[in-house]
Amino acid sequence: NAGVTQTPKFQVLKTGQSMTLQCAQDMNHEYMSWYRQDPGMGLRLIHYSVGAGITDQGEVPNGYNVSRSTTEDFPLRLLSAAPSQTSVYFCASSYSGTGPYEQYFGPGTRLTVT
Amino acid sequence: DAKTTQPPSMDCAEGRAANLPCNHSTISGNEYVYWYRQIHSQGPQYIIHGLKNNETNEMASLIITEDRKSSTLILPHATLRDTAVYYCIVRSFSGSARQLTFGSGTQLTVLP
Repeated sequence: NAGVTQTPKFQVLKTGQSMTLQCAQDMNHEYMSWYRQDPGMGLRLIHYSVGAGITDQGEVPNGYNVSRSTTEDFPLRLLSAAPSQTSVYFCASSYSGTGPYEQYFGPGTRLTVT
Repeated sequence: DAKTTQPPSMDCAEGRAANLPCNHSTISGNEYVYWYRQIHSQGPQYIIHGLKNNETNEMASLIITEDRKSSTLILPHATLRDTAVYYCIVRSFSGSARQLTFGSGTQLTVLP
């Protein structure tokens, strides 16, 4: 199993550009989510999905879009990049339903917006 | 989810046990205690979880007090590679959403 994979590892954008951060998992997990982590801070939830076709907002959703057309993939779209979106982005996945299932995190995408 | 309180930083000598405390005095009966760690710039890594009994796996032990208001994560023989931020998270999972709330955690530094 590759686990949770994220691409790209690093990205530099200019203000106003758009891009998609990719996340994929091969563990057949229903639940997937995106977090951002600013320097010296904990992770904050952006969006999450409990299954294909179902997404919902987290704590900091503004400026980001998501969709979930397959169980394996959960891309995060930045619509018009701003310097405030400079951060490290982590994708995570887990089994869903009642039960203390652990979450698996990807290696992160380091995004700089100039 | 119950709020957790952790010391901001701790040091531990290599080869010694690292004991990381977490206070969760408002925990409710169906909430689990989870521990994750984040080694510099990497994605968080699951360590262990427990409900009321003490738990042990290949990475660590989790000791939960009888009243469940606090817990301690024990790394029995800390190595330099255990230097990381350790997060204690309290969460119930009664529905399908699995999101975790990460606080500031404890920066554990293992010293040679």
